[in-house]
Amino acid sequence: EPEVTQTPSHQVTQMGQEVILRCVPISNHLYFYWYRQILGQKVEFLVSFYNNEISEKSEIFDDQFSVERPDGSNFTLKIRSTKLEDSAMYFCASSTTDIGGTEAFFGQGTRLTVV
Amino acid sequence: KQEVTQIPAALSVPEGENLVLNCSFTDSAIYNLQWFRQDPGKGLTSLLLIQSSQREQTSGRLNASLDKSSGRSTLYIAASQPGDSATYLCAVVGAGSYQLTFGKGTKLSVIP
Repeated sequence: EPEVTQTPSHQVTQMGQEVILRCVPISNHLYFYWYRQILGQKVEFLVSFYNNEISEKSEIFDDQFSVERPDGSNFTLKIRSTKLEDSAMYFCASSTTDIGGTEAFFGQGTRLTVV
Repeated sequence: KQEVTQIPAALSVPEGENLVLNCSFTDSAIYNLQWFRQDPGKGLTSLLLIQSSQREQTSGRLNASLDKSSGRSTLYIAASQPGDSATYLCAVVGAGSYQLTFGKGTKLSVIP
């Protein structure tokens, strides 16, 4: 069964360093998303991406964050200068059409620890 | 701003029991509602999607209902099994939005 794949599963980084989280969405999906979940809290929306541009972003997604689809298969989230409060589980998701019309499929997540 | 609430926060039942998980949302203008399962330290597995025009969806032992006007959904699990132990998350897509808004989840423990 097709699935969303995320790498790495766990990343530890020092405060102020740049990190790139990688995702391979399901191959025929056109809409891509990043969410995060701080330990013990709700899953929160970060950004949605379609046709090589951001469709919607939350207040969390400030200038420190960026997304890119560098080729036909990968979708990345970059955090330029990590802060302690960026420590969270980051989930990538994808869907065939916009999320109002279909279900979203999530990856297993990348646990980011900022020290 | 859409808010999603799930009650109870935790639930423990003996194996074989039928159970209901509740989800409520503050803005009834939604496109759809999706139920997910999350195992500890793992990703989200989609269980059921209900479009705003639908009243319920079924998959195996799971049945989800939606009452959009009252801002409520329930997830019914029949004949619970220890393998059903997980956190169950409810999420809605608000009209005009490209994002899921999640509840905090109900942590289910099924005791053998």
